[in-house]
Amino acid sequence: AQSVTQLGSHVSVSEGALVLLRCNYSSSVPPYLFWYVQYPNQGLQLLLKYTTGATLVKGINGFEAEFKKSETSFHLTKPSAHMSDAAEYFCAAQRPDSSYKLIFGSGTRLLVRP
Amino acid sequence: DAGVTQSPTHLIKTRGQHVTLRCSPISGHKSVSWYQQVLGQGPQFIFQYYEKEERGRGNFPDRFSARQFPNYSSELNVNALLLGDSALYLCASSLDSLGEAFFGQGTRLTVV
Repeated sequence: AQSVTQLGSHVSVSEGALVLLRCNYSSSVPPYLFWYVQYPNQGLQLLLKYTTGATLVKGINGFEAEFKKSETSFHLTKPSAHMSDAAEYFCAAQRPDSSYKLIFGSGTRLLVRP
Repeated sequence: DAGVTQSPTHLIKTRGQHVTLRCSPISGHKSVSWYQQVLGQGPQFIFQYYEKEERGRGNFPDRFSARQFPNYSSELNVNALLLGDSALYLCASSLDSLGEAFFGQGTRLTVV
């Protein structure tokens, strides 16, 4: 069965520091992978996605993620945190062959200290 | 272009009641999916509809049902509400059944 694990329910960084949010997946077939951001009382916004091709994916707002098949990981990074990055981040997976549903991790809340 | 719109944004229901949530997809999108997000957890897949047919169903009881209309809008119905049904219900639309999902702002359901 496919699953997504996000290590750390809360991550706190100082403004200007590196952001690293961890995501590991479990799947018999390498899935498509996504990172979404959710601001309070709002829906989900897609940050970036990996389907095929280049394993380093760049997204919006300066975020990027690298697909590492050998580590079954898809960690999200940003070189310099901004106060506006404070939000909930969700990693999600989707089987590329026939599945239609997204499997989400439990989320990581990013806190940015001034 | 308008994004995915959901109504209502908030509602409060009593245990045992029935609720209907509505979703209008992005223009041109033919697929709608529903997700339940309980506080502190990631969204859980409930249903996907494509071209008015159910394409998939998550692990939810039969109290949950949905349908898609000819204009591709969708309704999620929940019968015999339980306290545990309190959650943010998210609708996502995509061009087709495997396309990128665009999420609405959600409907916050509180069951008391």
